[in-house]
Amino acid sequence: QKEVEQNSGPLSVPEGAIASLNCTYSDRGSQSFFWYRQYSGKSPELIMFIYSNGDKEDGRFTAQLNKASQYVSLLIRDSQPSDSATYLCAVNPAGHSGGGADGLTFGKGTHLIIQP
Amino acid sequence: DTAVSQTPKYLVTQMGNDKSIKCEQNLGHDTMYWYKQDSKKFLKIMFSYNNKELIINETVPNRFSPKSPDKAHLNLHINSLELGDSAVYFCASSQVDREEKFFGPGTRLTVL
Repeated sequence: QKEVEQNSGPLSVPEGAIASLNCTYSDRGSQSFFWYRQYSGKSPELIMFIYSNGDKEDGRFTAQLNKASQYVSLLIRDSQPSDSATYLCAVNPAGHSGGGADGLTFGKGTHLIIQP
Repeated sequence: DTAVSQTPKYLVTQMGNDKSIKCEQNLGHDTMYWYKQDSKKFLKIMFSYNNKELIINETVPNRFSPKSPDKAHLNLHINSLELGDSAVYFCASSQVDREEKFFGPGTRLTVL
């Protein structure tokens, strides 16, 4: 069974510090990786996606992918209280077209708390 | 507003009833999905559907059936509701050549 693993937390980080969220996946052939943010009672919201090994930066967010280690991470710089949410790692399983007709496999999420 | 919308937002019903949840997207996307998020916040794919293909997660009971009147709508019909069906159901959509999924606001289903 294809799985995505995350530490459920809560992960508590002081305001202004770097929050580091980690995710591992079991399907070695997976090609695309996503980070969603979900506030309590709200729907998941896409933050970033990454396809290639290495880092991808977007504002205060950096996604890191290491396919050899089957590891994805999300760094949030200058953490703000508004970043407090559950962060979901998601993977598009291998063997699928990648053309969007396939559902994502989600981890159970990491609950992040930014302390003022 | 361009978005994925769902109705109703809340649905409370008795065991054994049949209910439907409606989803509409005006993003012009080709593919729509239903996800279930349980009480532990675990989000799982139930169905994906475009105008050519329905892909069903094999763990979904056949009491659940998606119905798509057109490309912009994907409704979820549930027969003989059970207590374990209580969850938040999210509709999502994406463009067929893009992998980013956009989620609707969710429908919280409570089966009593």
